[in-house]
Amino acid sequence: DVKVTQSSRYLVKRTGEKVFLECVQDMDHENMFWYRQDPGLGLRLIYFSYDVKMKEKGDIPEGYSVSREKKERFSLILESASTNQTSMYLCASSSSGPVNSPLHFGNGTRLTVT
Amino acid sequence: RKEVEQDPGPFNVPEGATVAFNCTYSNSASQSFFWYRQDCRKEPKLLMSVYSSGNEDGRFTAQLNRASQYISLLIRDSKLSDSATYLCVVNDGGGFKTIFGAGTRLFVKA
Repeated sequence: DVKVTQSSRYLVKRTGEKVFLECVQDMDHENMFWYRQDPGLGLRLIYFSYDVKMKEKGDIPEGYSVSREKKERFSLILESASTNQTSMYLCASSSSGPVNSPLHFGNGTRLTVT
Repeated sequence: RKEVEQDPGPFNVPEGATVAFNCTYSNSASQSFFWYRQDCRKEPKLLMSVYSSGNEDGRFTAQLNRASQYISLLIRDSKLSDSATYLCVVNDGGGFKTIFGAGTRLFVKA
């Protein structure tokens, strides 16, 4: 069974703080993703990575950066947290192949920025 | 027009009922289709992939209609534990673009 682990379930940070969200997967998946989910807006892609040290912007990358130094780990960084970044953050991974495989999600990090 | 559209519901059904959800997608080149289930304040979990020939998993049946660009999910003999939000998910072929529908909320009542 695929396991995607996010380092924190709940996080409370102050405006202006630098925030690191960590995600680790154990299935040797090539692709990893960061989403945020907000009521009424659904899931929105922030960044994704299809290989080590590779990263691509998603639909809402502003205010975020990512790091993928190892295949199993994908980190999301909020350089200077703001209140509008209060959200549920979901990491996901998938394998590459001729047909896109499904995403497997971590259990989410609920971030509150005060 | 949204890339993936679902009826947001909520659908309120009694236990034992049959309920069907539809989802339409705009990109005719889309290659992969999935239904996910999301419980309140939890992560989405894969319920089933959707194949062109249709597929069944116990009480759940998924269908794909490429000509009309919609997929469907049928739940038979609904259980209280089926109460959740059901997300329609579409992948564009050859890329990494995964589009999530906004979800359909289902409440199954005793």
